Amino acid sequence: QQKVQQSPESLTVSEGAMASLNCTFSDRSSDNFRWYRQHSGKGLEVLVSIFSDGEKEEGSFTAHLNRASLHVFLHIREPQPSDSALYLCAEGTGSKLSFGKGAKLTVSP
Amino acid sequence: DTTVKQNPRYKLARVGKPVNLICSQTMNHDTMYWYQKKPNQAPKLLLFYYDKILNREADTFEKFQSSRPNNSFCSLYIGSAGLEYSAMYLCASSSWNNQDTQYFGPGTRLLVL
Repeated sequence: QQKVQQSPESLTVSEGAMASLNCTFSDRSSDNFRWYRQHSGKGLEVLVSIFSDGEKEEGSFTAHLNRASLHVFLHIREPQPSDSALYLCAEGTGSKLSFGKGAKLTVSP
Repeated sequence: DTTVKQNPRYKLARVGKPVNLICSQTMNHDTMYWYQKKPNQAPKLLLFYYDKILNREADTFEKFQSSRPNNSFCSLYIGSAGLEYSAMYLCASSSWNNQDTQYFGPGTRLLVL
C-alpha cells in the first residue's frame, strides 16, 4: 500500500477561493512533512515544510499537521490560475522522502 | 543560488542502448538523490549519494547505476534501456540532517523507443 495517500486526486476551484488538499501518512514517527508542487514539464518546487503539530505558513500556503490523526493539510489562500499544478505531499525521515501520487489543482479564472 | 541543474532536459533512447543523465548543484550539499516519476505515480527514490557513499533502493538495485566524481555532480546511468524506463527523472540535493529541504532540478524526460 502507498505509504502516503493524497486526496482528492484532482480539485478545481475558482480564482480567489480557498483550496485545501489532504495528505494521509502512515508513520507518526516521521520527522518532517513537506508540500511540493510541479508545474507541467517542470521540476518540484518546495512550498512549505512542517516538523511539529500545528500550522506553518509560507506566503499563500499554510500546512497543518496533526500527527495523532496522521494528516497533513495544505491550504492555498486566494489561488490564482498560475497556481494550477500538481501538488505533492512528502513525509520524511532524515533526508529520505516518501511521496504521494499528487493532487492536480486547477484554478479557473 | 538554490538551483539544481539537469542535463539533458529531454532524452530519446533506443531499447537496449545506454543512457546517462547528469545533475549538478552548487549549494555544497552532501547528499544527492535520483527519483523516477511516471504519470499518475508518486516520485520513486532510486538511489542517493551521501558524500561518496552510494545507496541504492533494493527494488531498483540492478537497474540503475550512479557516479559522483565530485561534490557538485551526480550521474544516473542505465546500461540497457527498456520501454519501462520511460519516465521523468528528477535529481535533488540536500544537506544530510533531519531538517533540511531537498531541492529539485527541472527533471529529464526520458523516452525509450
